[in-house]
Amino acid sequence: DAKTTQPNSMESNEEEPVHLPCNHSTISGTDYIHWYRQLPSQGPEYVIHGLTSNVNNRMASLAIAEDRKSSTLILHRATLRDAAVYYCAHSGGGADGLTFGKGTHLIIQP
Amino acid sequence: EAGVAQSPRYKIIEKRQSVAFWCNPISGHATLYWYQQILGQGPKLLIQFQNNGVVDDSQLPKDRFSAERLKGVDSTLKIQPAKLEDSAVYLCASSTSTGANYGYTFGSGTRLTVV
Repeated sequence: DAKTTQPNSMESNEEEPVHLPCNHSTISGTDYIHWYRQLPSQGPEYVIHGLTSNVNNRMASLAIAEDRKSSTLILHRATLRDAAVYYCAHSGGGADGLTFGKGTHLIIQP
Repeated sequence: EAGVAQSPRYKIIEKRQSVAFWCNPISGHATLYWYQQILGQGPKLLIQFQNNGVVDDSQLPKDRFSAERLKGVDSTLKIQPAKLEDSAVYLCASSTSTGANYGYTFGSGTRLTVV
C-alpha cells in the first residue's frame, strides 16, 4: 500500500522560514504530490501541488526530490496564522483521489 | 465563489441507527469525493464520483456505507447500520475533471459521533 510519512509536530518562530518534510517512498511516476493544511473544526485547505518540478505560489513553495520519494513544503516567512496541521498527500492508484499522511502539527512561536 | 457545502455540521446517533450526510460541491466541479477523517489521522478516501458515475469506491465499506450523486451535482453518503468505529468527520471535496492536477476544495465536514 502507498504510504506517506511526516513528523508528528514541528515548532518554529514567527517571521522565520519553515521547512516541512514528507516521505512518499512508494509514489509512482504519474502521482501528483499535494499539500493541505487544516485548522480545528475546518476542512483541509489547499496549499500547493506538483509533479516533478519545484513549484511556487503565493502561499508556499514545494521542493520535490529528484527521485520523487520525498518533498518539502516551504513557508518562507511564518506568521501566527500559519499554525495548523499540514498534510502531505499524493494521488494515484488509477484514480485521482488523495492518499494522506498523518500530518504535521506546526506550532509558531511569537 | 461559494465553497463546498455540507450538512449537518454535527450528528450524534446510537449504534445500529442509520445516518445520512449531504454535500453540494462547487458549481461546475465534475468530480466529487467523500473522505473519512478519524481523530488524529489524515483523511481517508471513501468514494470518488465523476459527474454521476462512480470512479473509485475500493475503500468504501459497502456492507454498511452507500453513496449516490444523482444528476451529477449534490451527493449523499449514508451509513446503515452505524458502528462505534464510524465516529469521525466526513469530508466532501470537489474538483475540476482532473483534481490531481488542479487541487481539491474541501467542505467543513460533518462530525459524526456514534454512542
